[in-house]
Amino acid sequence: QSALTQPASVSGSPGQSITISCTGTSSDVGGYDYVSWYQQHPGEAPKLMIYDVSNRPSGVSDRFSGSKSGNTASLTISGLQAEDEGDYYCSSFTSRFTLLFGGGTKLTVV
Amino acid sequence: VQLVQSGGGLVQPGGSLRLSCVASGFTFSDYWMTWVRQAPGKGLEWVSYISNSSGYTNYADSVKGRFTVSRDNAKNSVYLQMNSLRAEDTAVYYCARGGRVSGYWGQGNLVTVSS
Repeated sequence: QSALTQPASVSGSPGQSITISCTGTSSDVGGYDYVSWYQQHPGEAPKLMIYDVSNRPSGVSDRFSGSKSGNTASLTISGLQAEDEGDYYCSSFTSRFTLLFGGGTKLTVV
Repeated sequence: VQLVQSGGGLVQPGGSLRLSCVASGFTFSDYWMTWVRQAPGKGLEWVSYISNSSGYTNYADSVKGRFTVSRDNAKNSVYLQMNSLRAEDTAVYYCARGGRVSGYWGQGNLVTVSS
């Protein structure tokens, strides 16, 4: 299975909002409300930011939100902060009962 | 919640290695467990998961037939047995709590496959 499609990079200024897209197929993103988003800083393990499309784990800032339309899921970060800089990955449950990750998006706060 | 991994290292192509992940701070037998890997400078790749009772396992096509996931709920541990290793298996391997959603991750173990 090919990875879900994410933009390689996005950037924004402090205080702005950015959106990262994650495009799959009807066999994964479009077929289930089981999309998660992870943040990863260099040298660290990933951190769960959003699960089941739009749910935030306890302790994650409400500046992070998720949504889905058809075969594309999106992560929006509002009020961008320097600490948000890092790599972001989406993942989706699939019809083969596997998990599929996106290729990752590098967020730069300029 | 803590997940402490061990077992990484350097192995020759065609060799075997077993990764371990010991959990604490939660009822281990209530949760599915997942293995995810990340090749140097690359993105995340799901490898395998195992149900809480070991009744269900699944694998990525890239490792099917070579890797085996198992767990011992009495020891709060999950394992990844990796056989017939290839250069392209070189990666940091993470264990994580959960099946389709991984809320807690281990520190990662580097596995290097090289002669």
